[in-house]
Amino acid sequence: KQEVTQIPAALSVPEGENLVLNCSFTDSAIYNLQWFRQDPGKGLTSLLLIQSSQREQTSGRLNASLDKSSGRSTLYIAASQPGDSATYLCAVRPKEYGNKLVFGAGTILRVKS
Amino acid sequence: GAVVSQHPSWVICKSGTSVKIECRSLDFQATTMFWYRQFPKQSLMLMATSNEGSKATYEQGVEKDKFLINHASLTLSTLTVTSAHPEDSSFYICSASSTGVTEAFFGQGTRLTVV
Repeated sequence: KQEVTQIPAALSVPEGENLVLNCSFTDSAIYNLQWFRQDPGKGLTSLLLIQSSQREQTSGRLNASLDKSSGRSTLYIAASQPGDSATYLCAVRPKEYGNKLVFGAGTILRVKS
Repeated sequence: GAVVSQHPSWVICKSGTSVKIECRSLDFQATTMFWYRQFPKQSLMLMATSNEGSKATYEQGVEKDKFLINHASLTLSTLTVTSAHPEDSSFYICSASSTGVTEAFFGQGTRLTVV
């Protein structure tokens, strides 16, 4: 059974700092991995999707990497801003499940001004 | 990305009543829809998967008679929480995908509070 773990559970950083969020998964048989942002009481905003054949994806100040063989992904946020404060969720799409996603518990990020 | 609209965004109901949540794909045909549940400060847990025109497949531990899912068209799926109780209070999120597409798109979520 696929399990997704995110570390740290919570992170507080001063504005302008670069930071890394970690995600690990137990079964490397995945189609892709996706990073989401969730604001309190809101739905999910997709940030980056990395296909299993890719190593990384970039969007603005965000960079996500994928090492499928070791079951790890990182989300790098450059020059963090208070508006980046949110919960960041990592999810994998296991090959045996079709389009189902298995989510990690998330990392709560707070960027202090 | 594709747009998935979920309605209502929040609802308060009395214990014992039923509540219906709608999930619509606005600009694509959703052959499959997923319903997730999220308790406070926890991650999303898949409740069920529905394919258009077929009965939903429920995850282990999810009561199918309590959480009725209908996916009668390629653009609409509904989740009905029957005889709701306070412990059903949660955040419910749907997602939709199309055959051959490797990404699922999410609705905005519905905050259900049962009093």
